[in-house]
Amino acid sequence: DQQVKQNSPSLSVQEGRISILNCDYTNSMFDYFLWYKKYPAEGPTFLISISSIKDKNEDGRFTVFLNKSAKHLSLHIVPSQPGDSAVYFCAASASNNDMRFGAGTRLTVKP
Amino acid sequence: DTGVSQDPRHKITKRGQNVTFRCDPISEHNRLYWYRQTLGQGPEFLTYFQNEAQLEKSRLLSDRFSAERPKGSFSTLEIQRTEQGDSAMYLCASSANRVETNYGYTFGSGTRLTVV
Repeated sequence: DQQVKQNSPSLSVQEGRISILNCDYTNSMFDYFLWYKKYPAEGPTFLISISSIKDKNEDGRFTVFLNKSAKHLSLHIVPSQPGDSAVYFCAASASNNDMRFGAGTRLTVKP
Repeated sequence: DTGVSQDPRHKITKRGQNVTFRCDPISEHNRLYWYRQTLGQGPEFLTYFQNEAQLEKSRLLSDRFSAERPKGSFSTLEIQRTEQGDSAMYLCASSANRVETNYGYTFGSGTRLTVV
């Protein structure tokens, strides 16, 4: 069952512009949401997270927004840099349980 | 600490053979997870340990799969009688207790299994 969905398999943006990656979930028990970044031949790397008690969390160029009523979260990267080119996974977990991942979105930032 | 280590990085095996992968987590992390990732998909949960106790197993983990974590340190994942459908990247991750961290997992680089 696909509890976490990333409907855009790929996204291409120009360097310096905003990248917006989207994620939808179906399980209302999820209370923690995370974004991971993955380069080829490496494991996913934790990027940023947000608890369900918040609607926004910011860390430098990265901001995650959570809309619980819509069961939707998004990752904004501003400004986008070529080094941000990678596959981004959205993940979610319910209390003390394992994480469920989306299928990923491949971001390409063009110089 | 060099992070989460997985061995081997690549494994090619003939169908029907048994394979075993090893994961060494970050030493102070008491939780260890195994995930499987196939092309175009996100990581799929297989099983996790808190210390030496295996607390949850996915339905994806058929009876040909077994995982252990003796003494709560490293972990092994064994696949018996491998099938071509087992070909995937097997990822290990570790974390400290959730309340102590931002709950991010640290992943290893994975073991890529190819069953021919």
